[in-house]
This record gives sequence, C-alpha cells and structure tokens, in this order.
Amino acid sequence: EVQLQESGPGLVKPSQSLSLTCSVTGYSITSNYWGWIRKFPGNKMEWMGYISYSGSTSYNPSLKSRISITRDTSKNQFFLQLNSVTTEDTATYYCAKERSSGVYWGQGVMVTVSS
Amino acid sequence: DIVMTQAPLSVSVTPGESASISCRSSKSLLHSNGITYVYWYLQKPGKSPQLLIYRMSNLASGVPDRFSGSGSETDFTLKISRVEAEDVGIYYCGQLLENPRTFGGGTKLELK
Repeated sequence: EVQLQESGPGLVKPSQSLSLTCSVTGYSITSNYWGWIRKFPGNKMEWMGYISYSGSTSYNPSLKSRISITRDTSKNQFFLQLNSVTTEDTATYYCAKERSSGVYWGQGVMVTVSS
Repeated sequence: DIVMTQAPLSVSVTPGESASISCRSSKSLLHSNGITYVYWYLQKPGKSPQLLIYRMSNLASGVPDRFSGSGSETDFTLKISRVEAEDVGIYYCGQLLENPRTFGGGTKLELK
C-alpha cells in the first residue's frame, strides 16, 4: 500500500521560498504521476502541478514561474518549491499520487506565510 | 481551465436517509476513449481527502457500496444511500481530463 508523507517548515516569511518534501513508501515514483495539491482556508482546493514517472513536469499556469517540482528517485522522494510567497499561499499542502483510477493523498502539512 | 461547480454548498441529512450532491463541468469530461474523467473525494474532519468514485461511476477500493456515481458528459451526481455518521465531511468532485486539474468548491455534509 502506497503511503505519502509531507514534511517541511510550517511557517514561511513573505517573499521567501516554501520548500516541501514528499516521502513515498510502498510504490516507486518512477511509475505514475506525483503532484502537489493545496487547500486554502475556506475549502478551496488547487492543483499545483505534478512530476511524471519520466521526470517531466506540468504546472498550474496560475502559479506562473514561481513553482518547481523535482524528485530524487534514489530516495523515492519528490519536492515542491514555491518562490516569492505571500500570505495568500497560506494553505494545507498535500502531496499526491495520481493515476487514471484517481488521486491518493498524503496526510498534508499546514503552511502559514507570515512575518 | 475546466470549471467544476458543485451544489449544494451544504446538506443536512437524517441518518439512514439518502443524499445527493451535484457537480457540473464547464466542458465535457468524456474522452474519445469512452472514459469520463470525473472523480469524487471525501474529506472527513481532521483527515486528508480520500477517493470515493473514479471515472464517474467506479467505486474505489474499500468504499461502501452505499456510495454511487453517475452522470453524463458535463453533469454528475454522487449519491449516498443510508447515510451514516462516518459520512460526515466535505465532498469534492474533480476532473483529470486536462491540466490544470480542477476541483469543485466542496459540499459539506452534516447530520440532522
């Protein structure tokens, strides 16, 4: 059974970068798609992007050039970097496995952007 | 982007009764391969979202058969028969047809 676990700082200052790690067990990240989804206060859900089994990426245009998703296949981990954060990036961040049979979510990590 | 619109915003249900949640997409989610790429998720209080229904009408592993999904190319329904206390939470529809993936705004299910 696949398990996904997010880790990273819970507090980030405005204008800095948000960096999160997703550690995957029970499944190789060289198969399927691995992404990041965030849920804002008030329940709105936003897909941020994914990295594919081959290492190619796709990002939500709303995040423009602020986002980068990378991976380390030797550690079976993938990463999120979001640059130039503002208070509007305050959310719970989930890493997720995506396949045609649906999205499987990690436990989530709450990130607050505040000075 | 494909806009996913859910209704109602919230629903209050007596245990044992049925509930239905609607979701409408701004574009057909029917692919040329015959698969409709709409999904339903439930986020229980304090938990991460879990998959309930995939590709419009397929029950995810471990999900009670009280849950069912149906629909057309742009209009979809999640039905919960015989609602139980464990069904409380926020329900989301989502699409995996195109990037960016998008979700509905959520429907909160409460018990009367």
